[in-house]
Amino acid sequence: GQNIDQPTEMTATEGAIVQINCTYQTSGFNGLFWYQQHAGEAPTFLSYNVLDGLEEKGRFSSFLSRSKGYSYLLLKELQMKDSASYLCAVLDSNYQLIWGAGTKLIIKP
Amino acid sequence: GAVVSQHPSWVICKSGTSVKIECRSLDFQATTMFWYRQFPKQSLMLMATSNEGSKATYEQGVEKDKFLINHASLTLSTLTVTSAHPEDSSFYICSARTSALDYNEQFFGPGTRLTVL
Repeated sequence: GQNIDQPTEMTATEGAIVQINCTYQTSGFNGLFWYQQHAGEAPTFLSYNVLDGLEEKGRFSSFLSRSKGYSYLLLKELQMKDSASYLCAVLDSNYQLIWGAGTKLIIKP
Repeated sequence: GAVVSQHPSWVICKSGTSVKIECRSLDFQATTMFWYRQFPKQSLMLMATSNEGSKATYEQGVEKDKFLINHASLTLSTLTVTSAHPEDSSFYICSARTSALDYNEQFFGPGTRLTVL
């Protein structure tokens, strides 16, 4: 079966750095997405990785290792507004998005 | 660019009534639209995938006669929850994808919160 694992909840301090991990087992791979979702709102796109390595975009970076079935989202200089759920999703061989359950990130002052 | 709208944003209805939710891609043509449902503190659950002009493909466990999907044009898809019951109360989100992009990104609508009394 297809499976995506990420931690349920993480807590970090304002101004710090946090890494949210995601491991996946899917039928085929056509890319991995990270989305941010604030409570009561739809997900918003953060990043897309299809090749191994690190993609940096401002305070957010995303890393992918296809051989390990592993990705992480790195958030730097955390701000209170970064408190949200972070969803990892993999595009499988049928170009269907397989979603992780999401990681709720709590930022403390 | 790549904006998706949903209407209504929220709806409250009585048990047994039907509710229609519209999903529109405002500035691009969506070859494929997706309908998701999300219960509190849970992840997105794909309900169905629809391509313009063809019947929707429903995920296992989703009743196609209860959740009617119509994708009449490249910019509009509708989800009708027929004979809604309190257990159908949820956050319904649509997303749209265009083949014009390299990486098949899905653009999400803002969601519709349905409460069935």
